[in-house]
Amino acid sequence: QQPVQSPQAVILREGEDAVINCSSSKALYSVHWYRQKHGEAPVFLMILLKGGEQKGHEKISASFNEKKQQSSLYLTASQLSYSGTYFCGTEGGSGGSNYKLTFGKGTLLTVNP
Amino acid sequence: EAGVTQSPTHLIKTRGQQATLRCSPISGHTSVYWYQQALGLGLQFLLWYDEGEERNRGNFPPRFSGRQFPNYSSELNVNALELEDSALYLCASSSGQGSTDTQYFGPGTRLTVL
Repeated sequence: QQPVQSPQAVILREGEDAVINCSSSKALYSVHWYRQKHGEAPVFLMILLKGGEQKGHEKISASFNEKKQQSSLYLTASQLSYSGTYFCGTEGGSGGSNYKLTFGKGTLLTVNP
Repeated sequence: EAGVTQSPTHLIKTRGQQATLRCSPISGHTSVYWYQQALGLGLQFLLWYDEGEERNRGNFPPRFSGRQFPNYSSELNVNALELEDSALYLCASSSGQGSTDTQYFGPGTRLTVL
């Protein structure tokens, strides 16, 4: 089942904050966040695992609410380079050898000067 | 370190033809994933190969198939092409299998079916 991302699009001015949400109707084991700039490949941002473990880089943070089957990506003090489409990919069940990510339709983030 | 590479960059075919897309993973990565990115639909999981075997596939018809070679590179074959197969096909690789492995994406192959 494809996760639902919200909002579909957001426009910010440099320095403003944004939150992107990713919700699933199924229990989640992990959530992966990617950013894709126009004409480029998606780039890894963050992995959040059931139980609270988090792997990532860059100055972006995220949360994973297992009860609500939801993850949120927090972009603070946005920069022009943050512009792009953000995708969440979810893995359900208990993880393991049938690992398969199901991606949302994406959130288009535009940061203006 | 070289990233994931894909060829060709663009591919134009007509309905009913076959298309072959190629992917070379990052050196040392054994897993290769294929995704279809059609306009407005996000990334749709197609196939996952690891150590030469198909480990999982998405909800796509059997005319979408592929294989992984001993050097871990991979091919995606699409038979009997239909207009709705037009999309960007992305390949990703990771160092193993499992939820904590980061997938690194290639630049994609843009397939156009006329």
